[in-house]
Amino acid sequence: QVQLQESGPGLVKPSQTLSLTCTVSGGSISSGNYYWSWVRQPAGKGLEWIGRMYTSGSSNYNPSLKSRVTIAVDTSKSQFSLKLSSVTAADTAVYYCAREEGNYYAFDIWGQGTMVTVSS
Amino acid sequence: DIQMTQSPSSLSASVGDRVTITCRASQSISTYLSWFQQKPGKAPKLLISAASSLQSGVPSRFSGSRSGTDFTLTISSLQPEDSATYYCQQSYSAPPYTFGQGTKLEIK
Repeated sequence: QVQLQESGPGLVKPSQTLSLTCTVSGGSISSGNYYWSWVRQPAGKGLEWIGRMYTSGSSNYNPSLKSRVTIAVDTSKSQFSLKLSSVTAADTAVYYCAREEGNYYAFDIWGQGTMVTVSS
Repeated sequence: DIQMTQSPSSLSASVGDRVTITCRASQSISTYLSWFQQKPGKAPKLLISAASSLQSGVPSRFSGSRSGTDFTLTISSLQPEDSATYYCQQSYSAPPYTFGQGTKLEIK
């Protein structure tokens, strides 16, 4: 049973870079037809797709965040990561990592989520 | 971007009721539509993919359907544990994938 677990700082200062890691367990990050994605949710609000990466190295980002986002995959550690630069209070949210299956591109497995607050 | 308009934004229903939530896409998305259930403090859970494909382990009272660019999530007989917020999401075109605004379902 594949499981995802986010990790990283819960507090980031404005203008700094938010860095999160998602560890994949119970299966290989590089096997199968899957994308590895990040989604966020501000408190009391809806879901926003941040971006995704395939293990081949191809990636897609939300245009609203593209200039500030980098998603990378480390197959040797079975991890993928999110970096969001120049953060502001508007980036305060619960950040989820998720697996996206490659047929209908559904987010079939999610991490539990990690709360990140941007504040000085 | 493809806009997903979900309705209603909230509803209250009784145990045993039939409940319908609708999502309209701003353009054709074929059947690239998922439905998620999210309970407070928890990650979203995939209920239905490909517009009507029920995920393993999801109760059969949940179903999904499509008519053109209109998609429907139906709960045939509402149970107390179905109290949650429900989201639709299109995966036809990325970037970006987009979600509906959510429907908060309360049990009377």
